[in-house]
Amino acid sequence: QSVLTQPPSVSAAPGQKVTISCSGSSSNIGNNYVSWYQQLPGTAPKLLIYDNNKRPSGIPDRFSGSKSGTSATLGITGLQTGDEADYYCGTWDSSLSAGEVFGTGTKVTVL
Amino acid sequence: QLQLQESGPGLVKPSETLSLTCTVSGGSISSSSYYWGWIRQPPGKGLEWIGSIYYSGSTYYNPSLKSRVTISVDTSKNQFSLKLSSVTAADTAVYYCARRYPDAFDIWGQGTMVTVSS
Repeated sequence: QSVLTQPPSVSAAPGQKVTISCSGSSSNIGNNYVSWYQQLPGTAPKLLIYDNNKRPSGIPDRFSGSKSGTSATLGITGLQTGDEADYYCGTWDSSLSAGEVFGTGTKVTVL
Repeated sequence: QLQLQESGPGLVKPSETLSLTCTVSGGSISSSSYYWGWIRQPPGKGLEWIGSIYYSGSTYYNPSLKSRVTISVDTSKNQFSLKLSSVTAADTAVYYCARRYPDAFDIWGQGTMVTVSS
């Protein structure tokens, strides 16, 4: 049972924008950095965003991250068919059950 | 560039121990900047962190798996390994190894499917 909650799915037409929320608590998102991962079908996850809003080299600026309180958001603008994938948030949880935690995952569909 | 590759049996019998190795190439596992982790993904489900290790051997594990997990490192071979004991069908998953830096898993292996079945 993940401690980070994401919507199961979001969809939009090509060229449009989608946002994916990741809801947690003070023991995880509220006091730790958030990262975001893209998992294309049949492949390993790929880091999109780290430290809440930083992009690794090679990740286009169509992808953006933000954090406010105990929630984080991933935004994708100029949606492309190649963006159709599962997206996961991740962070550290500092509770008694301390450790790395991932979100429930969100399927992005390009209509 | 740095690459990670998982290896190990694709089929494990119930109650036995799952053993996997992650080989790091293109860089040193002994860098003081990184932790190295194992993450798994059951078919059709989300990601679950199993545990992580520092090159010195310091480890931290998912509390829900801690009693069954051992992660170790062999710096001479540039490898780190996972052992998961007393496996059941619920441990059937794709197992990934990954590098953690600075606060995210930035490089992942391609993953290896492990099925628990008699």
